[in-house]
Amino acid sequence: DAGITQSPRYKITETGRQVTLMCHQTWSHSYMFWYRQDLGHGLRLIYYSAAADITDKGEVPDGYVVSRSKTENFPLTLESATRSQTSVYFCASSESSWEQYFGPGTRLTVT
Amino acid sequence: DAKTTQPNSMESNEEEPVHLPCNHSTISGTDYIHWYRQLPSQGPEYVIHGLTSNVNNRMASLAIAEDRKSSTLILHRATLRDAAVYYCIRIGGTSYGKLTFGQGTILTVHP
Repeated sequence: DAGITQSPRYKITETGRQVTLMCHQTWSHSYMFWYRQDLGHGLRLIYYSAAADITDKGEVPDGYVVSRSKTENFPLTLESATRSQTSVYFCASSESSWEQYFGPGTRLTVT
Repeated sequence: DAKTTQPNSMESNEEEPVHLPCNHSTISGTDYIHWYRQLPSQGPEYVIHGLTSNVNNRMASLAIAEDRKSSTLILHRATLRDAAVYYCIRIGGTSYGKLTFGQGTILTVHP
């Protein structure tokens, strides 16, 4: 199906474990983004990518790693998960500076 | 500061127009104003964007003040499905490093 998908949709992990959240889009959009959403903070940009092999930090990048070897995929890795990284994570894609298309989100709980 | 200011919440009745305000007093000449909305348990959804002049699309209208320090999202006839959190954000050129969604306005629509 065309669109943007995220997996898993729900994840529970323990402190210190490595976790990778997947994002896949079928539009061949150049730009992709990762946001986190916490109560009281709205959405905050973690990392973004303007093209394959080009990534840059957003507002809250600490503790996260991204890569983009293929245009359609933009995985987000928490190398050593902490409780403060419990959040809902949204991936988005865009062809330009304009309309961003968001995925359904991944709810991550770190115990 | 790249943030915008919006009221925390607003209420409307179904079938009535809704005017959602946004202040962006420090906006630069090249910043666009974008509006997104987020329905419960979903990712954000693009609504509309503009630079200087008023804009219309099938979802809403965007009125931008002449000095560009404020803007108003107009829903011409609110429906129950329009109940969501509405975000006003500034986007400057192709630099997403400072993209911030803010708290948004919670719109409640009464039948």
